[in-house]
Amino acid sequence: KNQVEQSPQSLIILEGKNCTLQCNYTVSPFSNLRWYKQDTGRGPVSLTIMTFSENTKSNGRYTATLDADTKQSSLHITASQLSDSASYICVVSPNYGGATNKLIFGTGTLLAVQP
Amino acid sequence: DTEVTQTPKHLVMGMTNKKSLKCEQHMGHRAMYWYKQKAKKPPELMFVYSYEKLSINESVPSRFSPECPNSSLLNLHLHALQPEDSALYLCASSQLPGSRYEQYFGPGTRLTVT
Repeated sequence: KNQVEQSPQSLIILEGKNCTLQCNYTVSPFSNLRWYKQDTGRGPVSLTIMTFSENTKSNGRYTATLDADTKQSSLHITASQLSDSASYICVVSPNYGGATNKLIFGTGTLLAVQP
Repeated sequence: DTEVTQTPKHLVMGMTNKKSLKCEQHMGHRAMYWYKQKAKKPPELMFVYSYEKLSINESVPSRFSPECPNSSLLNLHLHALQPEDSALYLCASSQLPGSRYEQYFGPGTRLTVT
């Protein structure tokens, strides 16, 4: 079972609409949780990064929330644009001690925004 | 400058060829990473360099050979690859070693092994 699970796997929305992507994780303890946007065939680009003590973080039309009690995070996209079509990846940084902890990636949500 | 650059963007090589992927960053970061990403899958960590020394090798086959000539450069030497090695190879860097530091990814090299 993945330690970071995302839903839905894929999503199609119309341009201008809002959407929310979900991330459930079991990693504990953790240092931070990140959302990345990855265009097809390109490297991931960081959207937000939240420490375990933060509840929300915004970056333009992107707003991430974090509930450390339920181990859930969400990424809300407002007024979607065609350029938002991409894969969105939730990534958790474990805090098991030491400097060699690996990032734990979710499997991503593929978002398609249609005109 | 918050950019990680990778060259080439695309590479097609035969199974007997030797080629190299290059990654560069000028942010003064002391940790650099190689990831392999197959289609519709998350990136998989291959190697981590901390202060120009190899600190993590995720049991990667020896046909992949990393090299860190200096703090700004990271190479991945490829030899006798298999078709299943075809993937997007991503380089990343972070200010310091450790997963709590923000990782900045390059655009990737799309590798096809024929």
